[in-house]
Amino acid sequence: DADVTQTPRNRITKTGKRIMLECSQTKGHDRMYWYRQDPGLGLRLIYYSFDVKDINKGEISDGYSVSRQAQAKFSLSLESAIPNQTALYFCATSDEDGTGTQYFGPGTRLLVL
Amino acid sequence: SQKIEQNSEALNIQEGKTATLTCNYTNYSPAYLQWYRQDPGRGPVFLLLIRENEKEKRKERLKVTFDTTLKQSLFHITASQPADSATYLCALGHGSSNTGKLIFGQGTTLQVKP
Repeated sequence: DADVTQTPRNRITKTGKRIMLECSQTKGHDRMYWYRQDPGLGLRLIYYSFDVKDINKGEISDGYSVSRQAQAKFSLSLESAIPNQTALYFCATSDEDGTGTQYFGPGTRLLVL
Repeated sequence: SQKIEQNSEALNIQEGKTATLTCNYTNYSPAYLQWYRQDPGRGPVFLLLIRENEKEKRKERLKVTFDTTLKQSLFHITASQPADSATYLCALGHGSSNTGKLIFGQGTTLQVKP
C-alpha cells in the first residue's frame, strides 16, 4: 500500500459540495484507476487513465470527473456530492506487463450527508 | 451483460481445513483471472493470476483452478489459519486488447476459526 497513497483517508461532506480525492504512486506505472466499493456490489470502475494524455470513463462515471496531473498523480472529483456517493473509494495502478495486476491504495472513506 | 458471481454468504471453516471459494462468470471470455485478498478498511492485494490456457496454479498454500468451459474458478487455501480470514475477490481480465481493465466480483468473506 505504501507505493500508492490516497488523501484524505476519511472525509465527511455535505450534499452539493465539490470535493477532490487525490492519489499518488511511486511505482512508476502509467496506468491508473479509480474505483468505488459498496457493500454487496464489489469494486466498480469510475475512470481510468493509461497515460497522462489518456482518460477514459468506466462503468459509473456520471457525477465524477478526473484529472491526471502527472504520471504519478490521478485525482477524482465529485462535482456536486450527493448521499448515494457515500462509499469507499480506491485508487489503483498497473503496469503494461500484460497481466493487468493492479496495486491498490488504502482507500478513502467518503460520507455525504 | 457481463456478470461475475461469488458466494455472498460468508464461509466459516475450522483452522487446518481447506477453504474453497468459487467464482462464476457469464457473458465473458477472459484471457486471465486473478484473485485478490482484502482486509477490512484496506485495499485489495493481488494473490494469484491464472491464464485461460492454464488449468491450475499454485503458490504456497494457495491453489487456483480455471475451467473456461464451466466458466468457473475455484480458489483453495489448504491448512487454513485464522490469519487467512479476509474477503477474497476474483477479477477477470481481457488480455486481447491488453487494456489492463479488470472486472471484479463482489467478494466472499472467509472466517477461519481457531
